[in-house]
Amino acid sequence: NAGVTQTPKFRILKIGQSMTLQCTQDMNHNYMYWYRQDPGMGLKLIYYSVGAGITDKGEVPNGYNVSRSTTEDFPLRLELAAPSQTSVYFCASKDRVGTGELFFGEGSRLTVL
Amino acid sequence: AQTVTQSQPEMSVQEAETVTLSCTYDTSESDYYLFWYKQPPSRQMILVIRQEAYKQQNATENRFSVNFQKAAKSFSLKISDSQLGDAAMYFCAWNRDDKIIFGKGTRLHILP
Repeated sequence: NAGVTQTPKFRILKIGQSMTLQCTQDMNHNYMYWYRQDPGMGLKLIYYSVGAGITDKGEVPNGYNVSRSTTEDFPLRLELAAPSQTSVYFCASKDRVGTGELFFGEGSRLTVL
Repeated sequence: AQTVTQSQPEMSVQEAETVTLSCTYDTSESDYYLFWYKQPPSRQMILVIRQEAYKQQNATENRFSVNFQKAAKSFSLKISDSQLGDAAMYFCAWNRDDKIIFGKGTRLHILP
């Protein structure tokens, strides 16, 4: 029972490099989310999706892009990495109906040097 | 717009004692969910307890219980018999459909 799987768990990038954080869920959830969490702080919503082919911006979308070609996958693309993007990134999903519980991945720690 | 406020950035409690974490929210919706999530040093987000707004009865999960006051828009978490493993960041969250709003969190320290 995998739930929400994020890869990689750790990554170091140089300024200006690009990368993709992968997120996949096996619960057939409609809704998926990307959050970032800076040290000692709360969660900030980057992007979210309510279904395949539909994405929308959260409160901190600048410097990121997403796509949702399938129900299972919701990758987050970082273009031209900057030190301000050093953070822990969480992918999460929830069902459109049901208990409302948000299921989280284990997080990806990204450092931009 | 909905907001969630956790007014206590940090709290400390003696082991085996009881502690209450505060959460207030603002919404014009009548049907929604409220949650408390725990984030230990491992950083994994763990659901502690869930409350459905239409239910008047307060939710309980073992040592964790809530005081849900819908009219006052208050949703506090009570942890009884605090244990060292309860040390974590606790986030209050409001949800309806695809909208999920998190508070900024309360860091809970357990004193041995």
